[in-house]
Amino acid sequence: KTQVEQSPQSLVVRQGENCVLQCNYSVTPDNHLRWFKQDTGKGLVSLTVLVDQKDKTSNGRYSATLDKDAKHSTLHITATLLDDTATYICVVGDRGSALGRLHFGAGTQLIVIP
Amino acid sequence: EAAVTQSPRSKVAVTGGKVTLSCHQTNNHDYMYWYRQDTGHGLRLIHYSYVADSTEKGDIPDGYKASRPSQENFSLILELASLSQTAVYFCASSEGLGRSSYEQYFGPGTRLTVL
Repeated sequence: KTQVEQSPQSLVVRQGENCVLQCNYSVTPDNHLRWFKQDTGKGLVSLTVLVDQKDKTSNGRYSATLDKDAKHSTLHITATLLDDTATYICVVGDRGSALGRLHFGAGTQLIVIP
Repeated sequence: EAAVTQSPRSKVAVTGGKVTLSCHQTNNHDYMYWYRQDTGHGLRLIHYSYVADSTEKGDIPDGYKASRPSQENFSLILELASLSQTAVYFCASSEGLGRSSYEQYFGPGTRLTVL
């Protein structure tokens, strides 16, 4: 059973617009949540990690929230650029160490058009 | 910056043949991982290792073997490749302890096609 669900599956926005990606999960325990960016044919690059019960992070045009009570996270991208075109993957870690497992979502494919 | 490299970057194999995927990291990390990515699905853990000369089974180890001859190198071996093993394979590394162990550093992936 899929434990990390991302929505939407795909999204098309115009350059300069903002967008919001959603991640719902059922992983227990939920030690931390990380958002990755995966360019086509490339590896996963970490954007941000959220740890606290109710957490917020900001990394340039990327900002994210986590609510562990709701088991829900969002990734906001402001003023999108063509280079933001990629798949964004939500990953939940069940421990705060390498002994834990990472649970991967299938990703949201974001396409930014001129 | 953490560096994980994989070779080959793509490979076409025949059913029943042997395939070896290689991973090399220069981060001095203890932990290394092999994942597979299938279209429309999240990455799934095949094997991992926390020390040289030792490997552990992940969530989907059937049909795969792993080898960790040194801290820097971790190989994934398909003794008898099958059509269902067509996928993109990612290697990753991480430190073992402390907050930094939250993060795994991923290689660029190897696209394997089994015909």
